[in-house]
Parts: sequence; C-alpha cells; structure tokens
Amino acid sequence: DAKTTQPNSMESNEEEPVHLPCNHSTISGTDYIHWYRQLPSQGPEYVIHGLTSNVNNRMASLAIAEDRKSSTLILHRATLRDAAVYYCILSPGTYKYIFGTGTRLKVLA
Amino acid sequence: EAQVTQNPRYLITVTGKKLTVTCSQNMNHEYMSWYRQDPGLGLRQIYYSMNVEVTDKGDVPEGYKVSRKEKRNFPLILESPSPNQTSLYFCASSSGLAGWDRDTQYFGPGTRLTVL
Repeated sequence: DAKTTQPNSMESNEEEPVHLPCNHSTISGTDYIHWYRQLPSQGPEYVIHGLTSNVNNRMASLAIAEDRKSSTLILHRATLRDAAVYYCILSPGTYKYIFGTGTRLKVLA
Repeated sequence: EAQVTQNPRYLITVTGKKLTVTCSQNMNHEYMSWYRQDPGLGLRQIYYSMNVEVTDKGDVPEGYKVSRKEKRNFPLILESPSPNQTSLYFCASSSGLAGWDRDTQYFGPGTRLTVL
C-alpha cells in the first residue's frame, strides 16, 4: 500500500496562509488523496480530497502535483482554531484508509 | 443531528476481562470502520464493514472482533484485553454513495481504553 510522508510539525502566524506538504511517491493512478484534521480531544474531521485536479472548498485548497507524487493543503488565512494535527491520507479503493502520523500545526497569535 | 456516537468514552479495565465498545451512526451509512490511535503511530485501521454482515480486517485486527448485525451499529469486542490494547479508539462511518475511495468519513468522539 502506498504511504504518505509529512513533516512532524509546522508553525504559522495567525491570518497568514499555511502550506502543508505531503509526499506520496508510490501513489497509484486510482488513489484519492484526502486530508483530515484532528482538533485537540476530538475525532478527525474531513477537510478536502482530490484525485488529479486542484480542489477548493470553504475550508481549504488542495494542490496536487502534476505527477501526483506530492500534494499541498493550503489554509488561506490560518486562525487559532486551525491548530490541529493534519493528516494526508490515500484511499486505494479497497475499503482501507491509510493514515500517517500527520503534521501538528501550531498557529501563533 | 447527524453523528457517530461511541460508548463508553472512557474505560479502565483489567487484563482478560471481556469488553465491548459500542458505535452507532444515525446517517444510514453503508461503511463503518474502527481505528486505534497511539502516540507516534497515528491512526491505524482495525476492522471495517462494507455493509450488514460484511466485515474485513484492517491493518491491526489481532485481539479484536467486530460484528455488523444492523446497519447503524458496529461494536468492537475485546474478548481478552491485554495492556498493549491500551489506546484511543475511534469509530467512523461513510455513506458509500460516491464510492469508498472518495467518500467523507465521519468520526466519533473516541473511546479512551486503559487495560491494567
């Protein structure tokens, strides 16, 4: 199964954009890329997902490299409430989700 | 309110004493799944279910059992818990309408289990 690699932690200033990278060099052509985040003391929550094209929703944007070996989650204006662990996940279509250890985002006031 | 509920939220037990953690969803979702979360290891899938009476192993199924007799419920059973099953457990569900690989998963609040 393909795996993802993310930095352990990142910091950002409040109201500035944040770019969270994810490497998935062994991704297969049909794997979707999902991002979830986990706020303190809560279960993970969905952020965004995509296959090949860049995606936008009200929470974030997902930029997927042309070769699909990496992707970037973009929070356009980080707030203190965005402090969380962000997981980049591949879903290979076999009913399995493969979570990595995620990136802990710290937002500085 | 659409949600996934888990009970109990906290449980301390002793080695070998059978326990069940319940999971219920009110969204009529086809797919349900159990994960455990451990420091430094992230979330790992234990079991998943594609529909009633259809379940399969995830990455770490040893020591766990599940059943899916009703669509809304997906209990996790530890027949003989051991200290290495001390963990934070999450149940999740998704509709299955868009396809498993692109569906949104909805997670429960978690169950913190300590096995002494």
